[in-house]
Amino acid sequence: DQQVKQNSPSLSVQEGRISILNCDYTNSMFDYFLWYKKYPAEGPTFLISISSIKDKNEDGRFTVFLNKSAKHLSLHIVPSQPGDSAVYFCAASGYNFNKFYFGSGTKLNVKP
Amino acid sequence: DTAVSQTPKYLVTQMGNDKSIKCEQNLGHDTMYWYKQDSKKFLKIMFSYNNKELIINETVPNRFSPKSPDKAHLNLHINSLELGDSAVYFCASSLGTGTDFGANVLTFGAGSRLTVL
Repeated sequence: DQQVKQNSPSLSVQEGRISILNCDYTNSMFDYFLWYKKYPAEGPTFLISISSIKDKNEDGRFTVFLNKSAKHLSLHIVPSQPGDSAVYFCAASGYNFNKFYFGSGTKLNVKP
Repeated sequence: DTAVSQTPKYLVTQMGNDKSIKCEQNLGHDTMYWYKQDSKKFLKIMFSYNNKELIINETVPNRFSPKSPDKAHLNLHINSLELGDSAVYFCASSLGTGTDFGANVLTFGAGSRLTVL
């Protein structure tokens, strides 16, 4: 029973265009959401987060949008760069901030 | 200088054996974790320690036993290995616990790929 789902295992985007990665969750008690980026043979690294009191958080080329009513969040990368090619994991936590639930990841390929 | 380091990176062993994976963090974080990435690529929490005290213990077979000799180290020992234990195990750490969002961002190690034959 997976509480965080990333239904697109892969995404291919042309360099310079927008990448949109999606994530859905089922637990309405989740109130803190993060995106992690993972390169092969490395551990996931933190990218950007958002709390449930906001619906948007921006950091440079990366923007995370949260739609609480739809239990959906998305990560926008614009413009996409070849170095963005990696697996992106969505994660969520509720009252216990030590316990994160992760999705299965979306592999992004940015083509030059 | 690696922030969260795990050893070994690869481990191939036979069913029934006992093995350990070691993890060390030099970030001064209070909380450490073990996550398992299964064949479907989900990262699932197994254990969490805060200052050597076990605070999260998910539904994991008791063949898995974590040990935290100090807050900078969290080791994972697995007894009587089974085929289904094959996975990538990630160690992680975070600054602390509680309600501070930023303090709970995880820093991961590079992972230890365990293959049970």
